[in-house]
Amino acid sequence: DGGITQSPKYLFRKEGQNVTLSCEQNLNHDAMYWYRQDPGQGLRLIYYSQIVNDFQKGDIAEGYSVSREKKESFPLTVTSAQKNPTAFYLCASSPRSGGYTEAFFGQGTRLTVV
Amino acid sequence: AQSVTQPDIHITVSEGASLELRCNYSYGATPYLFWYVQSPGQGLQLLLKYFSGDTLVQGIKGFEAEFKRSQSSFNLRKPSVHWSDAAEYFCAVCTSGTYKYIFGTGTRLKVLA
Repeated sequence: DGGITQSPKYLFRKEGQNVTLSCEQNLNHDAMYWYRQDPGQGLRLIYYSQIVNDFQKGDIAEGYSVSREKKESFPLTVTSAQKNPTAFYLCASSPRSGGYTEAFFGQGTRLTVV
Repeated sequence: AQSVTQPDIHITVSEGASLELRCNYSYGATPYLFWYVQSPGQGLQLLLKYFSGDTLVQGIKGFEAEFKRSQSSFNLRKPSVHWSDAAEYFCAVCTSGTYKYIFGTGTRLKVLA
């Protein structure tokens, strides 16, 4: 089955530690996205990548880093510089080429920093 | 800057009643508009999308939405709500060229039996 896999579903880390969230897609999509979701704030864009080896900052990139070395993978690292990292993180992808279409979402990773 | 506004944070309706969720967007060019639904702790599922053509679009689960350019709106409707429709609903716009998807803050729907 084609889709987007985020792992793990739940993640706990101590304050001050970096943590990497995994996102893999087998849809052959060019574009991939990371969103952060907090209650009452909707989805806020952290980073996005339209093609391998290229990515752009979204609206709340501070304290986060990404890489796009392979088309199917777009890992997100939450660094110790992120002041309030506890949140629900969603990864998405879209074909980009061939016209506009919807974004497809993974099931999310809930990160709790204690 | 592009933005999406969902003015209703919470909406409560009785089962069987009609539903309308509001969405307004700010975007200069032709918008590509979407409605998604999210169950607690899950990802987002697409309900429907508008790219061009007929301004009334049909989606899954009996939902429809109407694009009104003059009002910059893309409201979601359902004639008769089921208890299983209780969830959070997000409106989104895709910006041409950058392929960025911008989301509203969501509307949480509660359905009374």
